[in-house]
Amino acid sequence: GAVVSQHPSWVICKSGTSVKIECRSLDFQATTMFWYRQFPKQSLMLMATSNEGSKATYEQGVEKDKFLINHASLTLSTLTVTSAHPEDSSFYICSASRDSVAYEQYFGPGTRLTVT
Amino acid sequence: GENVEQHPSTLSVQEGDSAVIKCTYSDSASNYFPWYKQELGKRPQLIIDIRSNVGEKKDQRIAVTLNKTAKHFSLHITETQPEDSAVYFCAASGGGNKLVFGAGTILRVKS
Repeated sequence: GAVVSQHPSWVICKSGTSVKIECRSLDFQATTMFWYRQFPKQSLMLMATSNEGSKATYEQGVEKDKFLINHASLTLSTLTVTSAHPEDSSFYICSASRDSVAYEQYFGPGTRLTVT
Repeated sequence: GENVEQHPSTLSVQEGDSAVIKCTYSDSASNYFPWYKQELGKRPQLIIDIRSNVGEKKDQRIAVTLNKTAKHFSLHITETQPEDSAVYFCAASGGGNKLVFGAGTILRVKS
């Protein structure tokens, strides 16, 4: 149990375009989902926390207008990178938690974004 | 907020030897400490976790110890195997149900 999927697994887009990444909990309801960014050979950097039906909480330094997060249902959260630039190229990973107080996070397989 | 430091950044061991990775945290209110293993290009996978009311937890070749007074916790892998080679991350709960991750340790097990 506790399987999280992400789609797409990789995407290449041109500068100025927007890209949407989906994160789904397949066999459980995820009250809370998290979005991370990971640069090569670096740790996971939390971008934002989203709770179903409410606005996402962004970490300091993360532009909420650039990284739009929607958590419309208990099994789906989306991250949209708007007006993408080459510096947005990264590995984006989501995770899901069963409730807002549970610490266990189940990670998706990640999405490799390359902006040309 | 919470800050987690992890050492060493890289660790090479001979197959069959033990490996120890250490983390320190800053927020005394943190009460959940997981360890994740991440292979190249893949998702982090939870390998073991410990809560603040426990000092040690073991699962086959993997163990985690927690010293709340000193605010540090460690991962111990015994009888290392080549398939243990990966990046290991420690984390600590940091407000709400967020996790704050350490910088990671590249473990190489030489056969």
